[in-house]
Amino acid sequence: EQQVQQSPASLVLQEGENAELQCSFSIFTNQVQWFYQRPGGRLVSLLYNPSGTKQSGRLTSTTVIKERRSSLHISSSQITDSGTYLCAMDGASSSFSKLVFGQGTSLSVVP
Amino acid sequence: GGIITQTPKFLIGQEGQKLTLKCQQNFNHDTMYWYRQDSGKGLRLIYYSITENDLQKGDLSEGYDASREKKSSFSLTVTSAQKNEMAVFLCASSIQGANSDYTFGSGTRLLVI
Repeated sequence: EQQVQQSPASLVLQEGENAELQCSFSIFTNQVQWFYQRPGGRLVSLLYNPSGTKQSGRLTSTTVIKERRSSLHISSSQITDSGTYLCAMDGASSSFSKLVFGQGTSLSVVP
Repeated sequence: GGIITQTPKFLIGQEGQKLTLKCQQNFNHDTMYWYRQDSGKGLRLIYYSITENDLQKGDLSEGYDASREKKSSFSLTVTSAQKNEMAVFLCASSIQGANSDYTFGSGTRLLVI
C-alpha cells in the first residue's frame, strides 16, 4: 500500500517563529502537493511542487525526489496560519491523478 | 470562477441505514473523487471516476457505492451506516492528469446514532 508519512503530528509555535513540516513517501513520485485546512474548513491547495524548491509568500516547499521526501517551511508564523497541513503524492500508475494523503500536521500558532 | 458543492453539509443517520451524499462541480473537470477524513488519519480515497459513467475503487471502497451519471456530478452511498460512525466525506475534482488543479468541496459531516 502506498503511504505518506508526515511529521510532526502536531506543532505549537509562538507568533513570529518559523515552522518546518516534513513529508516522506513510500514510493518515488514526482507529483507532490501541499494542502491547508482550517478547522471545519475546506481543503485548499497551497503549493504544487513536483521537484526542487517552490515559494509562495511565506511558504517554501522543497521536494527531493531521489530521497522520497518533501518539506514545507512557514516563515514568520501568524495566528491565522493555525490549522492542518497535509501533503499528498500522486499514487496513480497511469495518466490520471490519484492523490494519496499523509495524516497531516496540526499547527497552532499562539500569541 | 467555478464551484464544487457538497450536499448535505451535515448528515445524521441511523445504524443500518443507506445514506447518499452528493457532489456537483461546474469546472468541467474530468475526474472526481470521494475521500473520507478521520481525525489523525488524513484522507483516504473511497472511489474516483475519470469520466462520466466510470467508477474506480479506492483503498476504502468496502461499504460504499458510487455513481457518476453526469460529468458534473458524483454521488456516494454508504450502503449500511455503522453505529457511532463519525467522519467527514470530501469530494474533489481535477482535470485529468493534472495534480495542480485539485479543488475540494467543503465536506459532508456524517454522524451515525
